Amino acid sequence: KAGVTQTPRYLIKTRGQQVTLSCSPISGHRSVSWYQQTPGQGLQFLFEYFSETQRNKGNFPGRFSGRQFSNSRSEMNVSTLELGDSALYLCASSSSRGGDLYEQYFGPGTRLTVT
Amino acid sequence: AQSVSQHNHHVILSEAASLELGCNYSYGGTVNLFWYVQYPGQHLQLLLKYFSGDPLVKGIKGFEAEFIKSKFSFNLRKPSVQWSDTAEYFCALRAGAGSYQLTFGKGTKLSVIP
Repeated sequence: KAGVTQTPRYLIKTRGQQVTLSCSPISGHRSVSWYQQTPGQGLQFLFEYFSETQRNKGNFPGRFSGRQFSNSRSEMNVSTLELGDSALYLCASSSSRGGDLYEQYFGPGTRLTVT
Repeated sequence: AQSVSQHNHHVILSEAASLELGCNYSYGGTVNLFWYVQYPGQHLQLLLKYFSGDPLVKGIKGFEAEFIKSKFSFNLRKPSVQWSDTAEYFCALRAGAGSYQLTFGKGTKLSVIP
């Protein structure tokens, strides 16, 4: 089955702009989580969506938001970009049943550069 | 709040050497533990996981890890590394009922010299 896909793969934005990243989970997966990966902070949890509802949120400012659609696809939005938002943004999807319950399958990420 | 510590930032080994990467966590309740690997230019892949039962778990590519509850540890081992094991390794935990959130360690970069 197809893996997690993320678009776009690379993005360059200017400070103050906003950006929207997209994630398509593995077919049948209803949970989608987002993580930010930076050399200094490592992998940090942003938020998790399940059946269009945000279930958990990490310790990020309100400029970071997300949503999930009825087909489980998810988007995350960052408004008023700052230089420190430059990072690899990873999406992961999980099944809600079966032998791989709670396993997270990661996409390739979107590399965001803020100049 | 939970946390994960990986003690080694960068490990350099020669091929055929044995590997042990340390991982300690902090959380008072039941946890699930994972090791993920990120090969250069590739996405994160699951190496192995511990949910319950036998504390010694085996994963892909000859890796194994041992969960020691009394030490809050989940160290990754491989008896003989290969050049293709060069990658960054992340220990992660899932805590709490129903949550899919993973808390990751900072990662250990492994370089294997041929």
